[in-house]
Amino acid sequence: EVQLVESGGGLVQPGRSLRLSCAISGFTFDDYAMHWVRQAPGKGLEWVSGISWNGGTIHYADSVKGRFTISRDNAKNSLYLQMNSLRPEDTALYHCARGFESHFDYWGQGTLVTVSS
Amino acid sequence: EIVLTQSPGTLSLSPGERATLSCRASQSVGSRHLAWYQQKPGQAPRLLIYRASNRATGVPDRFSGSGSGTDFTLSIRRLEPEDFAVYSCQQYGGSPPYTFGQGTKLEIK
Repeated sequence: EVQLVESGGGLVQPGRSLRLSCAISGFTFDDYAMHWVRQAPGKGLEWVSGISWNGGTIHYADSVKGRFTISRDNAKNSLYLQMNSLRPEDTALYHCARGFESHFDYWGQGTLVTVSS
Repeated sequence: EIVLTQSPGTLSLSPGERATLSCRASQSVGSRHLAWYQQKPGQAPRLLIYRASNRATGVPDRFSGSGSGTDFTLSIRRLEPEDFAVYSCQQYGGSPPYTFGQGTKLEIK
């Protein structure tokens, strides 16, 4: 069974940092690109970042470019998102998702990040 | 960046009825790059349709997708109680970003 389990969310003050993790099981991790997608309260889904199977290709949404860093450890079947200089507008439920063609075929339930003073 | 606009924002129907949800793109989207997702409270999003009209693994055949260019449709025939949820379309134009529509809430009338 494919499982993606996020962790690392919490309450953080503006300007501070947080590191999210996503533990994967049930498939060969290094066969797939992986992504982070977030959903702010009452809003639609927003793609945040994606990384190719070997980490060689990485993309970010303009809203997080220069502040967030995506990475993966294929030996540990894990995906990460380092979030620096957090802003209140980064408050959201953050999902990790497996890339499938141009889409996302498996998702985790998400970890909540709240940026507030 | 391609903007996706979904309509209606909320759709109120009864079980057994047919639902038709719309997703309109601000510029042409290749059919291979349009998908639909279902979201229920407290659950991970679920891929329903990819390449505009292909059902994902395990998705009942009452769900169907159609469209091309800038206009896409998700249809659900004979609504079941478990179908009431939020539905979002998503596109990828060949280079990032991936973008989503704002979602259509399908609620029980």
